Amino acid sequence: GAVVSQHPSRVICKSGTSVKIECRSLDFQATTMFWYRQFPKQSLMLMATSNEGSKATYEQGVEKDKFLINHASLTLSTLTVTSAHPEDSSFYICSASAGVPYNEQFFGPGTRLTVL
Amino acid sequence: AQSVTQLDSQVPVFEEAPVELRCNYSSSVSVYLFWYVQYPNQGLQLLLKYLSGSTLVKGINGFEAEFNKSQTSFHLRKPSVHISDTAEYFCAVSASGGSNYKLTFGKGTLLTVNP
Repeated sequence: GAVVSQHPSRVICKSGTSVKIECRSLDFQATTMFWYRQFPKQSLMLMATSNEGSKATYEQGVEKDKFLINHASLTLSTLTVTSAHPEDSSFYICSASAGVPYNEQFFGPGTRLTVL
Repeated sequence: AQSVTQLDSQVPVFEEAPVELRCNYSSSVSVYLFWYVQYPNQGLQLLLKYLSGSTLVKGINGFEAEFNKSQTSFHLRKPSVHISDTAEYFCAVSASGGSNYKLTFGKGTLLTVNP
């Protein structure tokens, strides 16, 4: 149980285009979803936390207009990178939590974004 | 706020040797502690967690960790490693109270198991 999927697993786009990444909890209802960014050989940096039906809470330094997060249902959250540029190239990982018993986060397999 | 320090960025070991990956944390409140493993181009898999109770925690793949509150440490150990254990290992901490359990990660330790 507790499977989280991400789609696509890999995406290459041109500079200036927007890219949408989906995160789904397949076998549980996720009250909270988290989006992380990971640079090569570095740790995960939390970008934002989203609760179903509410606006996402962004971490300091993360541009909310650039990284649009939508958590429209208890099983789906999306991250849209708007007007992507090469510096947005990274590995994006989502996680989902059911809230009980202690808000354990289950991680998706990640999405590799390359902006040319 | 919490912080995590993983003292070793890389740990090379030979197959069947024991290994210890070190993790220290800082927090002004009670915490939950986690170890995750990440294989190349994949997400994170939970190895083990400490929530409360026994300070010695056993996880998957033969790993265990011991919570030491006085030393604010949560070191990960395995008595005999395999080639397949080669991966990046992350220690993480979250506050045990509140309604939003944000995870703070260490910078990771690359474990390389050589034949």
